[in-house]
Amino acid sequence: DIQMTQSPSSLSASVGDRVTITCRASQGISNSLAWYQQKPGKAPKLLLYAASRLESGVPSRFSGSGSGTDYTLTISSLQPEDFATYYCQQYYSTPKTFGQGTKVEIK
Amino acid sequence: QVQLQESGPGLVKPSQTLSLTCTVSGGSISSGGYYWSWIRQHPGKGLEWIGYIYYSGSTYYNPSLKSRVTISVDTSKNQFSLKLSSVTAADTAVYYCARDAVEDGGNSYFDYWGQGTLVTVSS
Repeated sequence: DIQMTQSPSSLSASVGDRVTITCRASQGISNSLAWYQQKPGKAPKLLLYAASRLESGVPSRFSGSGSGTDYTLTISSLQPEDFATYYCQQYYSTPKTFGQGTKVEIK
Repeated sequence: QVQLQESGPGLVKPSQTLSLTCTVSGGSISSGGYYWSWIRQHPGKGLEWIGYIYYSGSTYYNPSLKSRVTISVDTSKNQFSLKLSSVTAADTAVYYCARDAVEDGGNSYFDYWGQGTLVTVSS
């Protein structure tokens, strides 16, 4: 199985801050990476796929980058509704696997 | 807009079989082009993919659960189902159904999710 490691596990930030979350795969995944946002008691919501493609309806302050084994999710200006847990997920090979999550909290 | 809704018992006894159904609306499972997945999330923990099915009935299961999992599809009802046998307390989790959007290369990610249903394994 491909192991996905996110960092940090949690972070505190203020509204308007630029936030970066990283995700490292245990082997190359050729940009087959998705990012999800999950709020308490809700299902995950797709933000980006193919490492950098924004899902329809997702605000442009979310962006993704990376290649090979290392990927990044950036929120350019954190908004109140962005406080949530974020997961990366590789779909390069089965079984599909997720990172452990990064909780973004209010500073 | 595609919507998915999980249904099934919220409480299952140890050693019994967990059974859940996902009803899809706003799109037809039999139209093809998508896989249909089950994913679970242990309380306060991360996400674990259980497996998926294609409308034709072909399946792939996570090897970690393969011996206990069966996913089936009923295209006439636009539903797919999960059965997990010989459950223990470790199977207590929120279970989600999701649609897999398939890219040109055949890989797929989860673009629509059900709201999730908590299943507790306890006597």
